[in-house]
Amino acid sequence: AQSVTQLDSQVPVFEEAPVELRCNYSSSVSVYLFWYVQYPNQGLQLLLKYLSGSTLVESINGFEAEFNKSQTSFHLRKPSVHISDTAEYFCAVTQGGFQKLVFGTGTRLLVSP
Amino acid sequence: DARVTQTPRHKVTEMGQEVTMRCQPILGHNTVFWYRQTMMQGLELLAYFRNRAPLDDSGMPKDRFSAEMPDATLATLKIQPSEPRDSAVYFCASGLVHDRNYTFGSGTRLTVV
Repeated sequence: AQSVTQLDSQVPVFEEAPVELRCNYSSSVSVYLFWYVQYPNQGLQLLLKYLSGSTLVESINGFEAEFNKSQTSFHLRKPSVHISDTAEYFCAVTQGGFQKLVFGTGTRLLVSP
Repeated sequence: DARVTQTPRHKVTEMGQEVTMRCQPILGHNTVFWYRQTMMQGLELLAYFRNRAPLDDSGMPKDRFSAEMPDATLATLKIQPSEPRDSAVYFCASGLVHDRNYTFGSGTRLTVV
């Protein structure tokens, strides 16, 4: 079964600094990859997704992720974070005909002034 | 914006009572997920429906949990009897399998005392 590993449970960073949140997936066949964000006491919101085509995908609020098949990774990056980016970020994968969505354990991004 | 609506938002119940959580998917979406989120286990997939048919409920304790879609506008998750270990936030998500833009509801926070 497919799975994702988020290596960091928490990433503290100062405002305006760059950040990378790491995600590795296990499947060796075609996969679709996602990043979701969860703000306190809210549901999950889709940040960006990779289905096919360009391996670099971007969100509207400055995040980007690159699909790297050789390293089975889909790391999330932002060149300059804001206080408002403080949230929990989840990497997820779907695979195969049923396309069920499987989440990693999440990374808490803490942005301080 | 179209939304996934979950009711109730909060539920406190006594151990042994039946709990029913409801989800109204976005109109036209053919895929529905139920997830449970806890601090210890993270996001666990409980059930997965495509065109109202259950495709995977392997993550759900079968002796006390049941999930159904009586029609395309309603998904339900029932727990009978409830136990304190069922305390969690339960999320519903819906989407279209071809674009995989899954939208999450705000969740039902269940507390079993």
